[in-house]
Amino acid sequence: GAVVSQHPSRVICKSGTSVKIECRSLDFQATTMFWYRQFPKQSLMLMATSNEGSKATYEQGVEKDKFLINHASLTLSTLTVTSAHPEDSSFYICSADRGQGITEAFFGQGTRLTVV
Amino acid sequence: GQNIDQPTEMTATEGAIVQINCTYQTSGFNGLFWYQQHAGEAPTFLSYNVLDGLEEKGRFSSFLSRSKGYSYLLLKELQMKDSASYLCAVVDSNYQLIWGAGTKLIIKP
Repeated sequence: GAVVSQHPSRVICKSGTSVKIECRSLDFQATTMFWYRQFPKQSLMLMATSNEGSKATYEQGVEKDKFLINHASLTLSTLTVTSAHPEDSSFYICSADRGQGITEAFFGQGTRLTVV
Repeated sequence: GQNIDQPTEMTATEGAIVQINCTYQTSGFNGLFWYQQHAGEAPTFLSYNVLDGLEEKGRFSSFLSRSKGYSYLLLKELQMKDSASYLCAVVDSNYQLIWGAGTKLIIKP
């Protein structure tokens, strides 16, 4: 199956700093990547849809200036949490699709962010 | 609004069978996915249904009734490693995935 690699898997940072999370599709070109956030015991919450070469589409309530998304190539999307605060601590997951009709979402391993 | 309902938690015994239900009301329907998610990990794909009926894949089967807005995931010969959350997700008319809150399945010896 297709492989999506997300890095880092865990990160601890201080309040006020920024953290970058990378999402790479290793064996296919991902025209669209998705960024999710998941709180404990809750489902995935879509934050934004990232299309290669264009601006990301953010879901309502998600601050685009705080969660910067860059989809620089067909195999890489990055999410930068800027000026992180403890309430940003969460599990962030990216997924990608091949852009060939409806297919399963291929997920990265997820990133556990803890802001102290 | 769009809504997907799943039980919050279920408990079953090792070796037994369990059925996890999912009902949905969405703007359009272009398929339904079931994913398994172990704690602290990303979801992994289990099944995809777009036509009515039962799809069997080893110990796991998934059923869909579009007229009833209903699906279930059937797990047979339960193993301890099946303890996880099971997420139901529907593809709506905009081809976006709408996620249920997940069902936490606890397997007891």
